[in-house]
This record gives sequence, structure tokens and C-alpha cells, in this order.
Amino acid sequence: GMPVEQNPPALSLYEGAESGLRCNFSTTMKGVQWFQQNHRGRLITLFYLAQGTKENGRLKSTFNSKERYSTLHIKDAQLEDSGTYFCAVENTGANTGKLTFGHGTILRVHP
Amino acid sequence: AQTIHQWPVAEIKAVGSPLSLGCTIKGKSSPNLYWYWQATGGTLQQLFYSITVGQVESVVQLNLSASRPKDDQFILSTEKLLLSHSGFYLCAWSPQISNERLFFGHGTKLSVL
Repeated sequence: GMPVEQNPPALSLYEGAESGLRCNFSTTMKGVQWFQQNHRGRLITLFYLAQGTKENGRLKSTFNSKERYSTLHIKDAQLEDSGTYFCAVENTGANTGKLTFGHGTILRVHP
Repeated sequence: AQTIHQWPVAEIKAVGSPLSLGCTIKGKSSPNLYWYWQATGGTLQQLFYSITVGQVESVVQLNLSASRPKDDQFILSTEKLLLSHSGFYLCAWSPQISNERLFFGHGTKLSVL
């Protein structure tokens, strides 16, 4: 599959802080999804983007297909934001729902 | 509202024993269905996908098989487990027309000893 690079591999934040996660890919992609995996393993879809920017509460994501990256920004971090964040991309032309996942960013939010 | 249910929640199995994991989607007709596998601490890898009853495509060969006996059911199985099968198995669905968005089940944690 196409390599998907996620950075940073791990991140520690204090409550109330903000930071960004980034996903780089090596070729043009159809869309990107961001997931949060909690401590029980449950994957929660945060965003799906085919282009542009989306915002939901304290989270904001952008997708730049031309520059081949996507970002996830978290502001006012809360303890429940802790978990592993994955980006997953689908390349253009694919029709199988085959997403290639990055290796994830482990986020720990501390009080 | 659509719901996705996976069973069992967790399994501890011996090497060489058979396995069957199940996934049911309610509230959505003709979904695309997927099985993903996650090694401990690792990323997710798609194993199988199905766009209709009776049709399953294999993405990665891991000595596993999948079947879709009903529109709302997806089964992952093997007759002989390997140690390397340990991990976390996730079932997912997406709408037929817009299959980019995935919705995951709670997953099954499998430990092969």
C-alpha cells in the first residue's frame, strides 16, 4: 500500500493545552479520515474530509490533497482526549473502502 | 440509527484451534462490510471486504477466511489458529454509495496461546 506517515509518534499535553497532529502521504489521495482509538480499542470516527477544513468542537482538521497532507488540531485538551489517533487515506480510483492507516499518534493528556 | 455489533468481546484460544468471529449491522441495508486486524500496539490492516451477500474479497493473506451469509452479517474464521493471529479484530461498515466513511464495531481481542 501507499505509505502514510504520521507525526509525532507520541504527544503529551497538559489539560487546556493545544497541539496538532500531522499525516503525510506520498501520492494524491481521495480523502482522509481521522480516528481516535480509546483505551478499550474502540475506534471513533472524528472526521472525513475530501477537501478543505472541518471543525467539530475543540477539534479541527484540514486536508490538502495537492500538498499531500492532513492535520488534526486539538485545542483545550481534556483528559478524555487521551488515546491513539490514526489518520487513514483512500487513494484515488479505489472502490473497496480500502484505507491505508498511519501508525498512529499516542496522545496522553495530563491533569 | 445504524448499529454494529461484534462478538465475542474477547477470546483466548489455543494454537491450532478453530476460530469464528461475528459482526452484525442493523439499520442499514446493503452496506459494504470490512474486517480489519490490529497487532498489539500497531496500526490497522484491512483483511477482507464485501459489497454484497455471498461475495468476499481478500486483501491480505493471513490464513483466515471470511464469509457474508446474510446482508447484515460478516463472519471471520479459521480452522487452525496461529500465534500470529493474536491481536484486535475490528469489523466496519460503510454506505454502498459513499464508501469512504467507515464506522467500526467495538472489536474483538484475540489472544492465541
